[in-house]
Amino acid sequence: TQLLEQSPQFLSIQEGENLTVYCNSSSVFSSLQWYRQEPGEGPVLLVTVVTGGEVKKLKRLTFQFGDARKDSSLHITAAQPGDTGLYLCAGNPNNAGNMLTFGGGTRLMVKP
Amino acid sequence: GAGVSQSPSNKVTEKGKDVELRCDPISGHTALYWYRQRLGQGLEFLIYFQGNSAPDKSGLPSDRFSAERTGESVSTLTIQRTQQEDSAVYLCASSPYYADEQYFGPGTRLTVT
Repeated sequence: TQLLEQSPQFLSIQEGENLTVYCNSSSVFSSLQWYRQEPGEGPVLLVTVVTGGEVKKLKRLTFQFGDARKDSSLHITAAQPGDTGLYLCAGNPNNAGNMLTFGGGTRLMVKP
Repeated sequence: GAGVSQSPSNKVTEKGKDVELRCDPISGHTALYWYRQRLGQGLEFLIYFQGNSAPDKSGLPSDRFSAERTGESVSTLTIQRTQQEDSAVYLCASSPYYADEQYFGPGTRLTVT
């Protein structure tokens, strides 16, 4: 069982649709990060959320951090083919060691 | 500025051979991480270096895996007696300090035949 569970694992949608990706845990995180990874490349940081209940917007992407700091969501409005990729959440649990723990990822495909 | 670079980008090796993967972090970044990513999956932590402190090796899957880092510069990940299950993309990341945002290299795709 992973410390960070992402759902869904796979998502295939048409251009223009909306979607939400979830990142859940039973542990409390001091912060959570979202990354996007495209084929053949390393993950690229999208956002870091640090305050329970925080909402951050990045163009058509909206990120939320749960009040209890155990979960986060990523909502994409009017998805475009350029949004295609692997979305990863990551965090450092309050009592963990020195490294980030990554979720298993959500693979998104947006068809034109 | 220059990002994290990794070499080689692709490596095909025969089962039982040793391989060495290289990572050049962003200049000035004190923290360096190695991850393994199997096909279609998330990232699996391997090892973490922070400055001159002893590395966190808690993620290394077996004693066939080892890594070194010289000061705050280049790191090498060595896999001895490679097995087919070692086939994966090996990603390196660096960050300015403990648990900050991580900047990833493009990875080395290792195939063990």
